[in-house]
Amino acid sequence: KAGVTQTPRYLIKTRGQQVTLSCSPISGHRSVSWYQQTPGQGLQFLFEYFSETQRNKGNFPGRFSGRQFSNSRSEMNVSTLELGDSALYLCASSLVAGGYYGYTFGSGTRLTVV
Amino acid sequence: AQTVTQSQPEMSVQEAETVTLSCTYDTSESDYYLFWYKQPPSRQMILVIRQEAYKQQNATENRFSVNFQKAAKSFSLKISDSQLGDAAMYFCAYCPANTGNQFYFGTGTSLTVIP
Repeated sequence: KAGVTQTPRYLIKTRGQQVTLSCSPISGHRSVSWYQQTPGQGLQFLFEYFSETQRNKGNFPGRFSGRQFSNSRSEMNVSTLELGDSALYLCASSLVAGGYYGYTFGSGTRLTVV
Repeated sequence: AQTVTQSQPEMSVQEAETVTLSCTYDTSESDYYLFWYKQPPSRQMILVIRQEAYKQQNATENRFSVNFQKAAKSFSLKISDSQLGDAAMYFCAYCPANTGNQFYFGTGTSLTVIP
């Protein structure tokens, strides 16, 4: 079956713009989590959605937001982009809420802010 | 605070040999889950092995096994008969059972396999 699909794979944006990243989980998975990966801070949790509800949010400013649709697809939005938002954004899905059984990750979206 | 420490930024191993990657974590929780993920250049994080803290038996998946020492809060990964395809960044991750909605990752260990 298809894995976790993230689009686009690469993105270049200008400081001050906004961006929307998309994630399609594995069919049947209802939990979607987002992580930011940078060389300096490593992997940091952004938020998790389950059945269209945000279950938890990491320590990121309000410029970072997300949502989940009824088909479990999720989008992440970053407004007023800053240079420090340049990162690999990873989406992960799971059959159930929480990471107990391990997440299946996508290949990420590489965002570069110039 | 829940932190995960991987003290080896880089490791190398000869093909067919065995290598052990270290991971320690800090938590006051008694029930949690531990994971090792592999991230090759393709960027996709791949689950290597999972350990439930309430199980004393160490998890094993083919050539991959862990040494889980709960009292010491240590969770090392042993890769036996190393293959060229094992070359990747390896991340240790901790997930508390009571909330279970986020992973805490270590900083990773870059593994090189020498032919």
